[in-house]
Amino acid sequence: QSVLTQPPSASGTPGQRVTISCSGSSSNIESNNVYWYQQLPGTAPKLLIYGNNQRPSGVPDRFSGSKSGTSASLAISGLRSEDEADYYCAAWDDSLSGLVFGGGTKLTVL
Amino acid sequence: QVQLVESGGGVVQPGRSLRLSCAASGFTISQYGMHWVRQAPGKGLEWVTFISYDGSNKQYADSVKGRFTISKDSSKNTLYLQVNSLRPEDTAVYHCVKEGVYSGSYPFDSWGQGTLVTVSS
Repeated sequence: QSVLTQPPSASGTPGQRVTISCSGSSSNIESNNVYWYQQLPGTAPKLLIYGNNQRPSGVPDRFSGSKSGTSASLAISGLRSEDEADYYCAAWDDSLSGLVFGGGTKLTVL
Repeated sequence: QVQLVESGGGVVQPGRSLRLSCAASGFTISQYGMHWVRQAPGKGLEWVTFISYDGSNKQYADSVKGRFTISKDSSKNTLYLQVNSLRPEDTAVYHCVKEGVYSGSYPFDSWGQGTLVTVSS
């Protein structure tokens, strides 16, 4: 059971906007930066969002992150078939003195 | 460009040990924090351990504390993970990960492809 809670699956049609939630606690999401990673099938994860809502260069602005209290979310607008992947949230946990990941959300583009 | 290449994985019996290596290129590991993250087959990501840029700070997940040891050799620009007393639940792909520095945030900005460790009798 993961410290951060994500829905196991999400889906949408091309062009739609989908949101993936990530729920934590005061020792992780509320007090530290949230990160989002995308893992395409058979590949290593890739950084999508850092610092709660910042995109590294090269990540399309269709991807956006937000945080409020003990929860965070990743939004993907203008959904494309190549967005079909697993998405993970992560944050440092002060109580555990370690990084914690969400269980991952498998996004299907219908 | 940044490259991380892991090696040292394999099939090992429960209770035995392995040493995983991660050869880094395109940057100097003595300037960045480094992590190991593992992924069991068909499962999600699990953070394993961290070593600070200067080696002075190390952190471990509770699941591996006392059994795994992270280290690095800056002269070889290589990160290591000594894994002892292996258990079947340690079976996973082990990724070497570089920590970036982005405006006070420290995301994992480069990942190796990983090395598979299978613990089985």
